[in-house]
Amino acid sequence: AQSVAQPEDQVNVAEGNPLTVKCTYSVSGNPYLFWYVQYPNRGLQFLLKYITGDNLVKGSYGFEAEFNKSQTSFHLKKPSALVSDSALYFCAVRDIGNDMRFGAGTRLTVKP
Amino acid sequence: GAGVSQTPSNKVTEKGKYVELRCDPISGHTALYWYRQSLGQGPEFLIYFQGTGAADDSGLPNDRFFAVRPEGSVSTLKIQRTERGDSAVYLCASSARPTTDTQYFGPGTRLTVL
Repeated sequence: AQSVAQPEDQVNVAEGNPLTVKCTYSVSGNPYLFWYVQYPNRGLQFLLKYITGDNLVKGSYGFEAEFNKSQTSFHLKKPSALVSDSALYFCAVRDIGNDMRFGAGTRLTVKP
Repeated sequence: GAGVSQTPSNKVTEKGKYVELRCDPISGHTALYWYRQSLGQGPEFLIYFQGTGAADDSGLPNDRFFAVRPEGSVSTLKIQRTERGDSAVYLCASSARPTTDTQYFGPGTRLTVL
């Protein structure tokens, strides 16, 4: 089965600094990769996805992610973090049966 | 347009009771998914509908869990003889088509079994 791993439970950055939230994947076949964000007591909001094409994917709220096939990674990035970016971030891969397999999540805290 | 909606937003029940959770997908989305998210974890897949039929129910933990989508739109997740371990947030998502299309999630139903 497809799977993703998020090696960091917590990421702390200062406002205005670049941020990276890491994700590695394990798939058979072509990977369909996604990033979602979850704010407290809210559902998951879609940020971006990689299906095919350019390795650098741009998404909502200034986020982007780089697909790296050789390193089997799909790290989420933003050039300049905002305090409002503080939330729980989930990496996910589309499984063969069309359901999503999620990582355990990374809590991002952006400090003023 | 309207997103995925779920009702109720919170449900508190007693051990052994029966509960129903409702999901109203985005209009026109043929694929509908149920996930369960326990505290501190990522969502876990339960069941996937394509139209009216359950295309994949491999994530349902046991036969106390059942879901229907009789008209290919609204879906109901049913849990019989609830147990304390069923306490979680139940998320519903829909997509226009399966495979590469983005899944859009509802706000979830927080189920607490006392």
